[in-house]
Amino acid sequence: QKEVEQNSGPLSVPEGAIASLNCTYSDRGSQSFFWYRQYSGKSPELIMFIYSNGDKEDGRFTAQLNKASQYVSLLIRDSQPSDSATYLCAVRAGANNLFFGTGTRLTVIP
Amino acid sequence: DVKVTQSSRYLVKRTGEKVFLECVQDMDHENMFWYRQDPGLGLRLIYFSYDVKMKEKGDIPEGYSVSREKKERFSLILESASTNQTSMYLCASSANSYNEQFFGPGTRLTVL
Repeated sequence: QKEVEQNSGPLSVPEGAIASLNCTYSDRGSQSFFWYRQYSGKSPELIMFIYSNGDKEDGRFTAQLNKASQYVSLLIRDSQPSDSATYLCAVRAGANNLFFGTGTRLTVIP
Repeated sequence: DVKVTQSSRYLVKRTGEKVFLECVQDMDHENMFWYRQDPGLGLRLIYFSYDVKMKEKGDIPEGYSVSREKKERFSLILESASTNQTSMYLCASSANSYNEQFFGPGTRLTVL
C-alpha cells in the first residue's frame, strides 16, 4: 500500500466552479500535511500546509484535514484556468520523512 | 523569498559518464534533498542532508551519491550514468525537519 494516495485524474471543472482534490494516507502517526501545485514542466510550489484537524483557508484555497479518517483535501473556489496544474499531496510521518502522492491533474475549462 | 537554484535546466549525457548536479539555496536552510520525478511514480527521495557533511539515504539511493561540503550547496553525483537514470531531478531545502520544503526549478537529465 502506498503511503499517500491520490486520484491521478484528470479532474475537469468549469471556470468558476469548486474543484475538490482528495488525498488519503496510511500512517496514523502523520503529523503535517502539504499541498503543492506543479505546472507542466515546472517544479512544485507550496500552496498550503495544515497540521490540525479541521479547515484552513487561504484566499480561494481551503485545506481540510480529518486525521481519524486519514484524509486530507484541497478545495479551490472560483476555479480559474490558471489553476490548471497537477496538485501534489505530501504527508510528513516523522522527521525528514515527507511522502508525496503521485498528484492529481486538474483542468479548469473556460 | 527562498531561492533554490540548480546548475542546469537540461542535461544530456552518455551511458557511463559521471554526472554532477548542483543545488544551491540562499536561506541558510539546514536540510536539503534530492528527488527524482517520473511519470506515474511521483516524487521519490534519493538522498537528503540535515547538516554539512551529513547525508542520509532516501528511498532510491542506488547508483547515486551526494556531497554537502557547504551548508548552501548540495550535489548529486551519478557515478556511471545509465539510461534508467533519465528523469527530472529536483532539489529542495527546508529550514528544519518539520518545515515545508522549497523546490528548485529542476534538471531534466537524458542519458543516451
